[in-house]
Amino acid sequence: ETGVTQTPRHLVMGMTNKKSLKCEQHLGHNAMYWYKQSAKKPLELMFVYSLEERVENNSVPSRFSPECPNSSHLFLHLHTLQPEDSALYLCASSRIGGENEQFFGPGTRLTVL
Amino acid sequence: QKEVEQNSGPLSVPEGAIASLNCTYSDRGSQSFFWYRQYSGKSPELIMSIYSNGDKEDGRFTAQLNKASQYVSLLIRDSQPSDSATYLCAALSFYNQGGKLIFGQGTELSVKP
Repeated sequence: ETGVTQTPRHLVMGMTNKKSLKCEQHLGHNAMYWYKQSAKKPLELMFVYSLEERVENNSVPSRFSPECPNSSHLFLHLHTLQPEDSALYLCASSRIGGENEQFFGPGTRLTVL
Repeated sequence: QKEVEQNSGPLSVPEGAIASLNCTYSDRGSQSFFWYRQYSGKSPELIMSIYSNGDKEDGRFTAQLNKASQYVSLLIRDSQPSDSATYLCAALSFYNQGGKLIFGQGTELSVKP
């Protein structure tokens, strides 16, 4: 595997389900990010982890819970979501202290019924 | 509120022409700027980064930065139908624990054969 990978690529869940999104980076980076992309809106930064420590939380509802067990893996735990949470969820990674070029994974297309 | 503004388009150019994409940003402290290309249903792909005033060329792509005017542009020479995509401009803004990208809403480019 190379670059940034995400699983699953597609997810349909009910409002009472609990699911998790997984991201893995193979670039030797030390910062990881979760973004939400909804139709006709700019990419929204949700969470930033730098050296496995959460350093940014852009006022994201508590029904989204991130986890970063090490510098290569990032999870987004989902529970009691709303239909308006349906979107493309993107993971990205970068190297701290450099030009902060961020590289994205393929994304998870989430549909909440 | 730190913002990045782009014309949403669509911008339509004939094959072989030069496509010009523009972006303005509000944070004067931003030092790094990026252009991403995003095909429909796919994740953003980094195509250019620029950090200094002036031009930076890479193949058919030229990024231009004018920090005094807070303006970034991307020129695509000899446009091809395969260049048809949404182009996202991003500016790196710093906070006390690192940097984060602020994205524009993207400009949709259509290259007609």
